[in-house]
Amino acid sequence: NAGVTQTPKFRVLKTGQSMTLLCAQDMNHEYMYWYRQDPGMGLRLIHYSVGEGTTAKGEVPDGYNVSRLKKQNFLLGLESAAPSQTSVYFCASTGLYEQYFGPGTRLTVT
Amino acid sequence: DQQVKQNSPSLSVQEGRISILNCDYTNSMFDYFLWYKKYPAEGPTFLISISSIKDKNEDGRFTVFLNKSAKHLSLHIVPSQPGDSAVYFCAASIGSWGKLQFGAGTQVVVTP
Repeated sequence: NAGVTQTPKFRVLKTGQSMTLLCAQDMNHEYMYWYRQDPGMGLRLIHYSVGEGTTAKGEVPDGYNVSRLKKQNFLLGLESAAPSQTSVYFCASTGLYEQYFGPGTRLTVT
Repeated sequence: DQQVKQNSPSLSVQEGRISILNCDYTNSMFDYFLWYKKYPAEGPTFLISISSIKDKNEDGRFTVFLNKSAKHLSLHIVPSQPGDSAVYFCAASIGSWGKLQFGAGTQVVVTP
């Protein structure tokens, strides 16, 4: 039981490049989330999904897209990366009472 | 518009003493509150939660207190141990399945 895993762990992008972050969970959870963490700002919700095939916008969705084609996977895409998207990205899925988080992806956009 | 606030960015406490972390919220619709602990280079891990129907919840060395009228909650860690050194996030939601709003976090350092 791996819980929530994220790929990759680190990535450096140039402005304008694109990439996809992958989140996988093996707990059969319906709800999944993508957050970003920036210094002094806690975690902010980017997008979330309440089940396979569904997605919804969170607090800071601009510049990101998501897809949930399979229940266990939640993908976060950056179509044209900007330096403002330099951050640590966390994926989470919801159990009965709390969210379980992945280890994070540190993304730097130069 | 930050609906959950942790006004102390850092806290230093001696091993064996009590750590008290504070959190304030502005949205009166929040009815479920959680504390997460985060070590460097790891994801946050769930610590303890409380529903608005309670004013206290205990789990071992960790106790969370909720004051609904003041829109304030606190986390007490007794006794503090070196392994408690981490960043602690307060979070709130509407319903236990609702979207979480996080505070900015408090860095706790437990000194020998």
